[in-house]
Amino acid sequence: DTAVSQTPKYLVTQMGNDKSIKCEQNLGHDTMYWYKQDSKKFLKIMFSYNNKELIINETVPNRFSPKSPDKAHLNLHINSLELGDSAVYFCASSTTSGRDNEQFFGPGTRLTVL
Amino acid sequence: AQSVTQPDIHITVSEGASLELRCNYSYGATPYLFWYVQSPGQGLQLLLKYFSGDTLVQGIKGFEAEFKRSQSSFNLRKPSVHWSDAAEYFCAVGTGYTGRRALTFGSGTRLQVQP
Repeated sequence: DTAVSQTPKYLVTQMGNDKSIKCEQNLGHDTMYWYKQDSKKFLKIMFSYNNKELIINETVPNRFSPKSPDKAHLNLHINSLELGDSAVYFCASSTTSGRDNEQFFGPGTRLTVL
Repeated sequence: AQSVTQPDIHITVSEGASLELRCNYSYGATPYLFWYVQSPGQGLQLLLKYFSGDTLVQGIKGFEAEFKRSQSSFNLRKPSVHWSDAAEYFCAVGTGYTGRRALTFGSGTRLQVQP
């Protein structure tokens, strides 16, 4: 049983295209996140949603738009893709009822922009 | 704002040798601390976590970490490394605030294990 799943696992596309990455969690968590891992393996938070409400929106170009249709899903849509968007994008989830903020991560989506 | 420093970018150890990966954090209150491991091409797996209580925490795969408030450190240790431990290790700090529950990660330490 996959706890946090992402689709697709790999995404190769041309500059200027629009693409989406989907994330689903079956853990019953109320908070979901998108992180970006760059080519140097550095992980940085992009967005966080709590009960479908955006609570963290880091300095991310507005070409990136997260959407949370319900608590179990958090999708990431990217417009006008640029070379610098190439990275691995990780979805994660946690519960606010947990004291320690442990986050469960998906397998990642490797985005390559040509 | 919180931050995490992992001073060692790359570490090589021999199989069977002991291991210590360093992590220093900066945070004004009691931190929530984590170690995650990322195998090549894989996602992140939680090794262990600390948020209160005993400062020596045990994790999966024989790993342990010690929280030292005076040194703002949370170093990861393993007494005997196995070849399968070769991976990227990330230290992270989190807060308990509902409005800021994202994790701040260190830059990672790549562990290479020699036979």
